[in-house]
Order: sequence, then structure tokens, then C-alpha cells
Amino acid sequence: DSGVTQTPKHLITATGQRVTLRCSPRSGDLSVYWYQQSLDQGLQFLIQYYNGEERAKGNILERFSAQQFPDLHSELNLSSLELGDSALYFCASSVVPGGTPDTQYFGPGTRLTVL
Amino acid sequence: QKEVEQDPGPLSVPEGAIVSLNCTYSNSAFQYFMWYRQYSRKGPELLMYTYSSGNKEDGRFTAQVDKSSKYISLFIRDSQPSDSATYLCAMRTGGNNRLAFGKGNQVVVIP
Repeated sequence: DSGVTQTPKHLITATGQRVTLRCSPRSGDLSVYWYQQSLDQGLQFLIQYYNGEERAKGNILERFSAQQFPDLHSELNLSSLELGDSALYFCASSVVPGGTPDTQYFGPGTRLTVL
Repeated sequence: QKEVEQDPGPLSVPEGAIVSLNCTYSNSAFQYFMWYRQYSRKGPELLMYTYSSGNKEDGRFTAQVDKSSKYISLFIRDSQPSDSATYLCAMRTGGNNRLAFGKGNQVVVIP
């Protein structure tokens, strides 16, 4: 158990809908990362937050947004969902960004199915 | 060209065999190289971490980095059925924590 929690475990929804994925980082970790894992693209970095502020952006669609709250938990919002958004979404956390080594601890993931 | 290339083909080996996995990359700014292990229906977990070129050994696992060839490897000696998992290479630059992953290799160790 990495100490990172994600809810829900599974999410089934329809095209055009909006969903929110939640992540609680390990105790003491200030940085949160979101990744998308699909069979054809593999694990892709979406976005990173550090202590409430956006730190880095990857291949995140404009329909997706995220935030990190004062208690350090994070939410990933996916809107106008398309079939291609079906994937595993992972959250990871680390103590601080850029540390050496800076281990990212991954949560168990949320499996999103868009029908 | 993808930043990180990992031939995603599955690999089946008999118990006790050596497993050899590798990745190539195109971004010469990558300085930190990692191997993650992902069991079915679980999140990736860090297995090995290497900074710059060289070898690192941890028990049955050896990670190698050749920055001149932009090539990294992971060797698993005396493989066990419990090593059956997907192995993903990952790397990042020194400037930020964005990890670039390979697609992963599913390894099955047959008892």
C-alpha cells in the first residue's frame, strides 16, 4: 500500500458527461501528479500540483482540469467525456518536486469507462 | 518519435531464468532513470532508480544506463513467479518531475 488513496475505484458514465476523480496524497507529501494510462498510449503525464499551485502541465486536454486544495487532496475533473477518455487514471504524490531521489508514489487508480 | 520507446511485447520465461528489458529514449536532457513494476489492477511502484550513466544493483535486480547510446536496461536474475508483472521504464530531466514512461513489458515467469 503506497499510502495514496483514490476514489472511486471504478466509474462508468456516458459520453458528454462530467466526472470528478479524487486523490489524497501520502501524509506529508506536498506534490500531486495525475497520469492517464491507456493500452495504446501507455502512461501519460497530465498535470502536477505543488502545495496548491499548478507546477507542470503535460498532455492534458482542455476538457480536463485539476486542482489541489488546502488540505492537499486533489481532484481531476473530466468533462464532455468521449469514448477515447476511457482509461485508468492514476494519482501519484511526492514530498517535494525536484528532490533527489524524488520518488513518486502511485495510488491504485480509477478505472473510467465511457459508454 | 516518442520520447521513450519500450517494445511492449509480452515476455514469458521459466522460473530461474534471467529477464532482460530495455528502453531507448530521444531526449538527451533526461538525467534520472527509473523502472517501475505494476501488478495487475495496481498502481506502478518504484523498483529501481539511477542517476546518469552506470549500473545499479539491488538484490536480484540490476539497472543499467548508457547515456551515450540513450539506452537503459533492467535485468532480473533468478526470476520468480512473484516477478510476474508489467515493467515500465520512466525517466525525467533535472528541471521538473514530469515522468516520461515507456509502454511497459508484461513479464510472466512460469513455475
